[in-house]
Amino acid sequence: SQTIHQWPATLVQPVGSPLSLECTVEGTSNPNLYWYRQAAGRGLQLLFYSVGIGQISSEVPQNLSASRPQDRQFILSSKKLLLSDSGFYLCAWSRGLARDTQYFGPGTRLTVL
Amino acid sequence: AQSVTQLDSHVSVSEGTPVLLRCNYSSSYSPSLFWYVQHPNKGLQLLLKYTSAATLVKGINGFEAEFKKSETSFHLTKPSAHMSDAAEYFCVVSNTNAGKSTFGDGTTLTVKP
Repeated sequence: SQTIHQWPATLVQPVGSPLSLECTVEGTSNPNLYWYRQAAGRGLQLLFYSVGIGQISSEVPQNLSASRPQDRQFILSSKKLLLSDSGFYLCAWSRGLARDTQYFGPGTRLTVL
Repeated sequence: AQSVTQLDSHVSVSEGTPVLLRCNYSSSYSPSLFWYVQHPNKGLQLLLKYTSAATLVKGINGFEAEFKKSETSFHLTKPSAHMSDAAEYFCVVSNTNAGKSTFGDGTTLTVKP
């Protein structure tokens, strides 16, 4: 069966510090991978998606970036965090795009102080 | 273009009474529609999905939803609410546009004893 992991589970970082969140998927190959952000009391905002190694599509211009160094690894980064980067970050995978079910990881709660 | 509107940000029901969570969508193409559930500080879990087969879709935990093209709706229902149903629910629309799933803002379901 497939599983998706995210770490860390929670993170508290000062403004201006760097960020690296990691997501890995097990039990499947060549998944489509997604990063979402969920602000308090809000819906999900798609940040990035990837259809393969090194292929990243950005949905929202911001100070975040994503990378996919391996088939089942997806990393969300920032060089300098802003207060507005606080939120709940969710990674997801799917077999195909759009019409396929997305399977979500447990999320990372990021607080920027 | 596509969009999804969850008509109620909060719904409160008593245990054992029916649940109705409303979702309207718009899509330039024949859509796929999903309902996900999110318990506090957790990832999202698929409840059910519609992909142009039967218009009445049955999901997990006794939930079902009916696709009504004429009304552009995909409301989620359950005959009898359980305390464990208290959570955030998201309606999602996707079409053939690569990588594009649009999430609603969510409906918080509260179940009173």
